[in-house]
Amino acid sequence: EPEVTQTPSHQVTQMGQEVILRCVPISNHLYFYWYRQILGQKVEFLVSFYNNEISEKSEIFDDQFSVERPDGSNFTLKIRSTKLEDSAMYFCASSEKGQVLHSPLHFGNGTRLTVT
Amino acid sequence: KNEVEQSPQNLTAQEGEFITINCSYSVGISALHWLQQHPGGGIVSLFMLSSGKKKHGRLIATINIQEKHSSLHITASHPRDSAVYICAVSKGSGGGADGLTFGKGTHLIIQP
Repeated sequence: EPEVTQTPSHQVTQMGQEVILRCVPISNHLYFYWYRQILGQKVEFLVSFYNNEISEKSEIFDDQFSVERPDGSNFTLKIRSTKLEDSAMYFCASSEKGQVLHSPLHFGNGTRLTVT
Repeated sequence: KNEVEQSPQNLTAQEGEFITINCSYSVGISALHWLQQHPGGGIVSLFMLSSGKKKHGRLIATINIQEKHSSLHITASHPRDSAVYICAVSKGSGGGADGLTFGKGTHLIIQP
């Protein structure tokens, strides 16, 4: 069964450094998402992406964050200047159609980001 | 106040027991999701529903739109069902690509 692939599985970075988290969504999917989960807390929505532009973003997704689909397969999340509070598990997800059309989400296994 | 509330937060049961996890939400939704998160962290979608009832193997999900309530049932529970079960809602606000709003999850342990 096709799956969403995320790399790396674990990234350690120093405060103030830029990080890029990478995702390869399922090939025929059109909607892409980033979520994060701080240790011990609930999953939170960051951003959704469709038709090469951001569709919706949460309050968490401030100017430090950006997303890009640089080619036909990758979907990336960039954090420009990491802060300690950015330490979390970041999940990429994709769906074939939008949520209003009841298209289920497929999640990657996540990238654990540790900012020191 | 959280828009999505789950109960119980923690549940320990014996193998074979019938399990019920509840979810209440306070906003208008286009769909409700039940997800499973294993200790390694990966998230798997179990159900997506907007009305009625769905069944997959030993799992059953129901939703009552009028009462803004959903339940996830596990019949003949097994230790491999041990995981965190998460309720999440789609509010239909993002033109189709709206993000989910998550509950805090129910940590289920099934003892042999």
